[in-house]
Amino acid sequence: EVQLVESGGGLVQPGGSLRLSCAASGFTFSSYDMHWVRQATGKGLEWVSGISTAGDSYYPDSVKGRFTISRENAKNSLYLQMNSLRAGDTAVYYCVRSSRLDVWGQGTTVTVSS
Amino acid sequence: DIQMTQSPSSLSASVGDRVTITCRASRGISNYLAWFQQKPGKAPKSLIYAASSLQSGVPSKFSGSGSGTDFTLTISSLQPEDFATYYCQQYNSYPRTFGQGTKVEIK
Repeated sequence: EVQLVESGGGLVQPGGSLRLSCAASGFTFSSYDMHWVRQATGKGLEWVSGISTAGDSYYPDSVKGRFTISRENAKNSLYLQMNSLRAGDTAVYYCVRSSRLDVWGQGTTVTVSS
Repeated sequence: DIQMTQSPSSLSASVGDRVTITCRASRGISNYLAWFQQKPGKAPKSLIYAASSLQSGVPSKFSGSGSGTDFTLTISSLQPEDFATYYCQQYNSYPRTFGQGTKVEIK
């Protein structure tokens, strides 16, 4: 079964850091682009970052310079290092497979608050 | 950045109705367009990719069409399990962008 399981969410103060992880199983992880997508409560979906099979990374302006996506193919794992967190980063963060976003994890909740 | 605009933002429909949602890109994206369904408290689910290709396991009552800047998602006969929010997303270029969503409610 193809599966993505996120972890690492939690409560963090403004300006703090958090590292999200995503464990992939049931497919050849190294063969797929991977992405992070977030959703604030009651709001729409926002693409946060993507990484190619070659390790090239991409970000929207809203997180560029603060977030870093990485992957470890040997461990079938995707990561999102989030620094200088703001209240506006509060959301459920989803790990998603491929450019088509065809497989989604269940999400992990990040709350940025003092 | 490519802006994705969905219409309507919400709609009320009855079981058995045919429903069409529109997504417009601010510039051409060929057929690099996906559609998702999301129910409250759940992760989004992929329905369609490449504008008109049905994701594996998705019922054929869902269909997509379009190319360039104008796209549609059609549900041929709305069922109770189809009441949800639907999003389009372009994957032609970075940054990836989503439409604002269309909430399909029961009339």
